[in-house]
Amino acid sequence: DVKVTQSSRYLVKRTGEKVFLECVQDMDHENMFWYRQDPGLGLRLIYFSYDVKMKEKGDIPEGYSVSREKKERFSLILESASTNQTSMYLCASSLSPSGIMWFFGPGTRLTVL
Amino acid sequence: KQEVTQIPAALSVPEGENLVLNCSFTDSAIYNLQWFRQDPGKGLTSLLLIQSSQREQTSGRLNASLDKSSGRSTLYIAASQPGDSATYLCAVISSGSARQLTFGSGTQLTVLP
Repeated sequence: DVKVTQSSRYLVKRTGEKVFLECVQDMDHENMFWYRQDPGLGLRLIYFSYDVKMKEKGDIPEGYSVSREKKERFSLILESASTNQTSMYLCASSLSPSGIMWFFGPGTRLTVL
Repeated sequence: KQEVTQIPAALSVPEGENLVLNCSFTDSAIYNLQWFRQDPGKGLTSLLLIQSSQREQTSGRLNASLDKSSGRSTLYIAASQPGDSATYLCAVISSGSARQLTFGSGTQLTVLP
């Protein structure tokens, strides 16, 4: 079974802090994604990566950056956390973009005070 | 831009009933459609994936259909159980953005014992 793990289930940070959210998958998937999920807004794509050191902006990249130094690891970075970034963050991976199931991590609930 | 809509937003049924969840999408040029389940505070679990060339997929008590020309999919759950209570999300990969899943807002299902 594919496993997608996220470094923290719950995280509390203060405004202005730099925040790192880590995601690791163990099935050699090419594609990795970061979403945030908010009530009433659903899941929105922040960034995705289809190869090591490659990254593309999703629908809401503002205030975020990403890093993919190794194939199995995709990090989401909040350079200066703000209260409007309080959300559930979900990482996903897939082997190929179109034909294969996607797999999601358990999520990180981030609260920015 | 692809938009995915799920109706109803919430559904409550007594145990044992058969039920149908609906999903519609605006752009019929899709690679595939995927149904997910999300338990409160948790990540997403993939239930079924239907390729654009397929009409339906079945897994246990779940059956998903796809009518690409009309932009619709349904998830049929037979003999519902309290353990089926969760939010069900459908998502599509559009041909124009093959690496991105576009999600509906979900249907929150409650199965009453």
